Amino acid sequence: GQQLNQSPQSMFIQEGEDVSMNCTSSSIFNTWLWYKQEPGEGPVLLIALYKAGELTSNGRLTAQFGITRKDSFLNISASIPSDVGIYFCAGPRPGSGGYNKLIFGAGTRLAVHP
Amino acid sequence: GAVVSQHPSRVICKSGTSVKIECRSLDFQATTMFWYRQFPKQSLMLMATSNEGSKATYEQGVEKDKFLINHASLTLSTLTVTSAHPEDSSFYICSAVRGEAFFGQGTRLTVV
Repeated sequence: GQQLNQSPQSMFIQEGEDVSMNCTSSSIFNTWLWYKQEPGEGPVLLIALYKAGELTSNGRLTAQFGITRKDSFLNISASIPSDVGIYFCAGPRPGSGGYNKLIFGAGTRLAVHP
Repeated sequence: GAVVSQHPSRVICKSGTSVKIECRSLDFQATTMFWYRQFPKQSLMLMATSNEGSKATYEQGVEKDKFLINHASLTLSTLTVTSAHPEDSSFYICSAVRGEAFFGQGTRLTVV
């Protein structure tokens, strides 16, 4: 079935450093979504991308929709302790009608040391 | 603020009992809601689609008799884990779409 390959699996960084994570797929996606999940909570949408090549920012977060439509990356600049959490890429399962039925990447666990 | 509310956030039950989890869309109607399951340190996996006024549709490998879904109104879907076993222990998360997919806070189910 459809899979999203997300890397890295985990990151341990110092406060103030920049972070980059990415997702790839063997199939084309029409939408890429990036979520953050904190312990014991549901995912919260950070950035949604709808067009190939699109580059979108949300504060210190920047995400891009790859030109091939098979990849996306998320950057976090000048990390702070509250950036800690699990970051997931997600996309609508082809044929599921919009972005209702989502496929998720395995997640990137981010730890930020003060 | 939250647009999807899930209750309870945590529940512990004995093996063999049933547990009901509620998912509510706040201030909007959702004819469709989705239930996901997340094992520790793993990703979210779609279990089923809850359809208001009709039967839920289940993903391959998900037992519909084990995970009963009822979409009672345009703002409420419930997931009942029947005859729970320890292997049903997991984090269950619902979502509803209002332009984009919003998720509930999740329910940590522990079956002892």
